[in-house]
Amino acid sequence: GQSLEQPSEVTAVEGAIVQINCTYQTSGFYGLSWYQQHDGGAPTFLSYNALDGLEETGRFSSFLSRSDSYGYLLLQELQMKDSASYFCAVSTGGFKTIFGAGTRLFVKA
Amino acid sequence: DTAVSQTPKYLVTQMGNDKSIKCEQNLGHDTMYWYKQDSKKFLKIMFSYNNKELIINETVPNRFSPKSPDKAHLNLHINSLELGDSAVYFCASSGTGTYGYTFGSGTRLTVV
Repeated sequence: GQSLEQPSEVTAVEGAIVQINCTYQTSGFYGLSWYQQHDGGAPTFLSYNALDGLEETGRFSSFLSRSDSYGYLLLQELQMKDSASYFCAVSTGGFKTIFGAGTRLFVKA
Repeated sequence: DTAVSQTPKYLVTQMGNDKSIKCEQNLGHDTMYWYKQDSKKFLKIMFSYNNKELIINETVPNRFSPKSPDKAHLNLHINSLELGDSAVYFCASSGTGTYGYTFGSGTRLTVV
């Protein structure tokens, strides 16, 4: 079967750094994406990694290791507005993307 | 200026009814999707159309029927609604040469 594993919840303090991990087991792999979803809102695309390494976009960075079937999303200088659910997603080919169950991030003051 | 718009935002209906959700994107994307998000926030692909052609049809009851009149529109019709159909349905689109999906704001369907 195909699966993506990520922690269900993470709690961090405002101003801190938090890392959300994702391991995947899929029949095909084209890239790893991350999405943010606030309560009651729509998922919003954050980043995409097709090759190994780190991609940085402002306070958010995403890392991929294809040999380990592993990636992470790094959020720096946490703000209260970063409290949301974060989903990793694997593009498996044929226009198909499989989403993980999501990690709920709580940012405390 | 909404990129992907869905209507309605909320839908409350009785078991056994038939309902439709409409989706339109103005991004010029070629591919559109329907995802279902359950109460545990799990996002599951239902259907995908590329240039009006059905390319993904996951294991979904045949009470669900998508229709794409053109590549900017993807609608979802649901017959004989059941309690278990209650969820948030998201439309999304993606384009060649771009990464990631752009999601609509979702339709919260409640079947009573």
